[in-house]
Amino acid sequence: DQQVKQNSPSLSVQEGRISILNCDYTNSMFDYFLWYKKYPAEGPTFLISISSIKDKNEDGRFTVFLNKSAKHLSLHIVPSQPGDSAVYFCAASKKTSYDKVIFGPGTSLSVIP
Amino acid sequence: NAGVTQTPKFRILKIGQSMTLQCTQDMNHNYMYWYRQDPGMGLKLIYYSVGAGITDKGEVPNGYNVSRSTTEDFPLRLELAAPSQTSVYFCASRDLGLGGEKLFFGSGTQLSVL
Repeated sequence: DQQVKQNSPSLSVQEGRISILNCDYTNSMFDYFLWYKKYPAEGPTFLISISSIKDKNEDGRFTVFLNKSAKHLSLHIVPSQPGDSAVYFCAASKKTSYDKVIFGPGTSLSVIP
Repeated sequence: NAGVTQTPKFRILKIGQSMTLQCTQDMNHNYMYWYRQDPGMGLKLIYYSVGAGITDKGEVPNGYNVSRSTTEDFPLRLELAAPSQTSVYFCASRDLGLGGEKLFFGSGTQLSVL
């Protein structure tokens, strides 16, 4: 039973355009959401996060949107750059239980020059 | 600052062999984790620790053991390797407090069991 879903295994975007990566979750108890970025042969690195008390969080070219009623979040990258090509993992946790961070299967983003 | 260091980077085991994956962090983090990544499956939590001497099972603990004798080290032990344990293993740590939700990962150990 996948509690965190990323239904698009891959995504290709032209350089300079917007990349939108989607994530859905089933457990309404999740109240903290994170995005991680992973390059080949490296460990995932933290990108951006959002608490359930917010519906948007922005950090430079990266913005995460949270729709609690739909149990859906998305990561927007604008403008997309070739260096953004990586696998992006969505993750969720409960603030009262940080030990259980649940990851989605990932979306592989390719930004074409 | 080294962060989270995992050794070895690659290993091939025969069925039934044993090995220990090493993980060390130099950030004085209390929480440490072991994840495995299988293709298309995301990261699954194997074991975690909230401090020295305290460990608990994650989602997929069968076939693995851990110990946490110091804050810095969190080794993962495979006793009788099986082909189903072929995967990439990541160790991670995090701090407590504000902003402590994010995990810091090592670079991974790619393990093949043949």
